[in-house]
Amino acid sequence: DAKTTQPNSMESNEEEPVHLPCNHSTISGTDYIHWYRQLPSQGPEYVIHGLTSNVNNRMASLAIAEDRKSSTLILHRATLRDAAVYYCILSPPATETSYDKVIFGPGTSSSVIP
Amino acid sequence: DTEVTQTPKHLVMGMTNKKSLKCEQHMGHRAMYWYKQKAKKPPELMFVYSYEKLSINESVPSRFSPECPNSSLLNLHLHALQPEDSALYLCASSQDTSGSPYEQYFGPGTRLTVT
Repeated sequence: DAKTTQPNSMESNEEEPVHLPCNHSTISGTDYIHWYRQLPSQGPEYVIHGLTSNVNNRMASLAIAEDRKSSTLILHRATLRDAAVYYCILSPPATETSYDKVIFGPGTSSSVIP
Repeated sequence: DTEVTQTPKHLVMGMTNKKSLKCEQHMGHRAMYWYKQKAKKPPELMFVYSYEKLSINESVPSRFSPECPNSSLLNLHLHALQPEDSALYLCASSQDTSGSPYEQYFGPGTRLTVT
């Protein structure tokens, strides 16, 4: 499985944007980039995923570099509720013999300062 | 309803006990997963069920025995566990395991302590 590298921790101010980077230099052409987050004392929560183009949803935006070797999760306006561990994960498209394995790396612990 | 429920929330068991963890979803998802998470570590995949059949076993010891009685239910039977098996056990489900990736929905987990 291709690996991802994320900062151990990041800090941001409330109501300001948060940019969480992820390096994945060994990504293959068919790997999807997923982001999940885990709030304290909760199970992980899907945030967003993409393949080549930038993606937006109600929670966040995903900016993918042109060479796909890195990506950035953008939370447009951090709230205290966004303090969590954010996981960047690569996975190939699932097939009948290769299932949709979500392999979590260490993630980034993102804290929000009031 | 986009919820995955897990029972019990907490479980304390001795090394000779037999217990079961239960997971339920009513989203029509056909893939279900068990993960184990130790404190301050990321979740580790244990098992994947697809259409009620075990499709992935990540070399999990036999003292953990999964079961998928129907498409909505997933159990994890525990027997002769060790103290190092103490962890948060997370269940997840997704629409399918093949084709484009589908988001996984996680339950809140069962906090297991083995004494």
